[in-house]
Amino acid sequence: SQQGEEDPQALSIQEGENATMNCSYKTSINNLQWYRQNSGRGLVHLILIRSNEREKHSGRLRVTLDTSKKSSSLLITASRAADTASYFCATALRGATNKLIFGTGTLLAVQP
Amino acid sequence: GAVVSQHPSWVICKSGTSVKIECRSLDFQATTMFWYRQFPKQSLMLMATSNEGSKATYEQGVEKDKFLINHASLTLSTLTVTSAHPEDSSFYICSARGTSNYGYTFGSGTRLTVV
Repeated sequence: SQQGEEDPQALSIQEGENATMNCSYKTSINNLQWYRQNSGRGLVHLILIRSNEREKHSGRLRVTLDTSKKSSSLLITASRAADTASYFCATALRGATNKLIFGTGTLLAVQP
Repeated sequence: GAVVSQHPSWVICKSGTSVKIECRSLDFQATTMFWYRQFPKQSLMLMATSNEGSKATYEQGVEKDKFLINHASLTLSTLTVTSAHPEDSSFYICSARGTSNYGYTFGSGTRLTVV
């Protein structure tokens, strides 16, 4: 089952612009993670934010988490053509197994 | 860092045959393994969760007799797609979780094509 919905489904921007992707989820979480996937390839872990954190930075990435609204956002600043990929949020659910459930994903295209 | 080796990276098989996919944790003990399936242009869907030495727990709608999961050791889990059909063609990815609080390590995925 899908825990998260992401929007937009697809985003096309010019190099140098910022890209913002949003994720909403349904149940209580331990943490929320963002992953990147190039077409047909494996996943690359980008950043993890814990349920008691509100904002986190890593290089050109900025992630926010609002547990009251059950939502998160990923901001990529100064985008590059190499950032073109699909981006997924994934929520680690509370509970014994800590299942990691993925959102629907955002396909980002950065035009050079 | 933690590494999960997944093999094969791609496989083509005939309808009706079975295919086994392996995931090995190379430098940590994988107490829990998650198996996902991803259809083209879609997200990853969790199929099942397995703990070492226990039977796997399958998500709703996933046939446990068709997708056999074995997690007999802390470093190896296998997914066997039995009697494969063309609709089973997909990208299968494993993810291992060890004893650290937050770490999930993903394999590189297996692209299965059933002809």
